[in-house]
Amino acid sequence: GAGVSQSPSNKVTEKGKDVELRCDPISGHTALYWYRQSLGQGLEFLIYFQGNSAPDKSGLPSDRFSAERTGGSVSTLTIQRTQQEDSAVYLCASSLRPGSGRSNEQFFGPGTRLTVL
Amino acid sequence: KNEVEQSPQNLTAQEGEFITINCSYSVGISALHWLQQHPGGGIVSLFMLSSGKKKHGRLIATINIQEKHSSLHITASHPRDSAVYICAARPFSGGGADGLTFGKGTHLIIQP
Repeated sequence: GAGVSQSPSNKVTEKGKDVELRCDPISGHTALYWYRQSLGQGLEFLIYFQGNSAPDKSGLPSDRFSAERTGGSVSTLTIQRTQQEDSAVYLCASSLRPGSGRSNEQFFGPGTRLTVL
Repeated sequence: KNEVEQSPQNLTAQEGEFITINCSYSVGISALHWLQQHPGGGIVSLFMLSSGKKKHGRLIATINIQEKHSSLHITASHPRDSAVYICAARPFSGGGADGLTFGKGTHLIIQP
């Protein structure tokens, strides 16, 4: 595709339910990043994939959060037993590859707005 | 842990004014990003730089690695420049921590 796409664009769920958020990176991009933008908190890093492996999971806020990436392409961020504080915009970004230089420039998707009631 | 500070948090200016947004960070980085976010919109990467200066149209970004400081300038500002501008620092790769650390953003309003 022409850019990073995410689905759904909006998700409203009830507290305690599980949700899955999907990211389709730019074709050929090996690095994929998940970020969260909470109201009043700014943007924060969640997890990074190089290919299908996640060398950096340091930003995941709790063990209710997990992510996987298959085929070096699509990634899914899963939040189990959602809480109201999980309400945020979840952003995905991809880059051609990690490392220095132009190839590391990250391109952002439009985000998924998650609201937990 | 890298701390990224931006200033000002909010800026209102008149059309045509020269705008400067500042960003400082606490540890060495491999690159610094300037991002733009319009209300309700996605994030667009404006610049990624690791040294010196870059220019795109009316936007200029500079970085001083020794002083751990970057600035984003907008010349001849226009109401369509109104947005949140976010500075984000990328650590050195190889340690596994490749995620960006973000400043809290500068909310810019350009009045006609």
